[in-house]
Amino acid sequence: GQQVMQIPQYQHVQEGEDFTTYCNSSTTLSNIQWYKQRPGGHPVFLIQLVKSGEVKKQKRLTFQFGEAKKNSSLHITATQTTDVGTYFCAGRGSNYKLTFGKGTLLTVNP
Amino acid sequence: GAGVSQSPSNKVTEKGKDVELRCDPISGHTALYWYRQSLGQGLEFLIYFQGNSAPDKSGLPSDRFSAERTGGSVSTLTIQRTQQEDSAVYLCASSLEGDGTDTQYFGPGTRLTVL
Repeated sequence: GQQVMQIPQYQHVQEGEDFTTYCNSSTTLSNIQWYKQRPGGHPVFLIQLVKSGEVKKQKRLTFQFGEAKKNSSLHITATQTTDVGTYFCAGRGSNYKLTFGKGTLLTVNP
Repeated sequence: GAGVSQSPSNKVTEKGKDVELRCDPISGHTALYWYRQSLGQGLEFLIYFQGNSAPDKSGLPSDRFSAERTGGSVSTLTIQRTQQEDSAVYLCASSLEGDGTDTQYFGPGTRLTVL
């Protein structure tokens, strides 16, 4: 079945440093979504990418979808303490089902 | 309501007992999903409802797990004869259409602890 791998599992940065998490799928995706889960909270939708090579920005966050639609990345510029949490990618194949990666836990040292 | 709600928020039970977890999706959302999240892990898909029917039950870990949805709205996830490895946060999500492009909105989860 479809598998979605996400790396790294953990990332600790100093406030102001950049952060990137990568997502790779075993199969071609129709779209990919990114979610953020704050400590003790539930996943909250951030963005969806649909087109090959698509790049979307939300303030300091940049999301990319690979040309082959099998990988994606989330890059945060100049991290802040409010960025702390686990970032999940979730890929969708040919049907409705989202397959989540295991997430990247980001901690930020002020 | 404004969002997905789940009850109870916490449940502590003894091994071997049955538990029922409830999910109230966003009004009008036809698709409903159950996931399980163990400590420090990703989201494990359990089951998907479109309306009242469950076209995909492939994620249910054993026959001790079952779920139903009535009136195209509320869903209950039942775990019979609970085991310690069932301890996790059970998350429910709903989406408008479930057609492959819509956003899933998650509830706050039920934290289940099996002693």
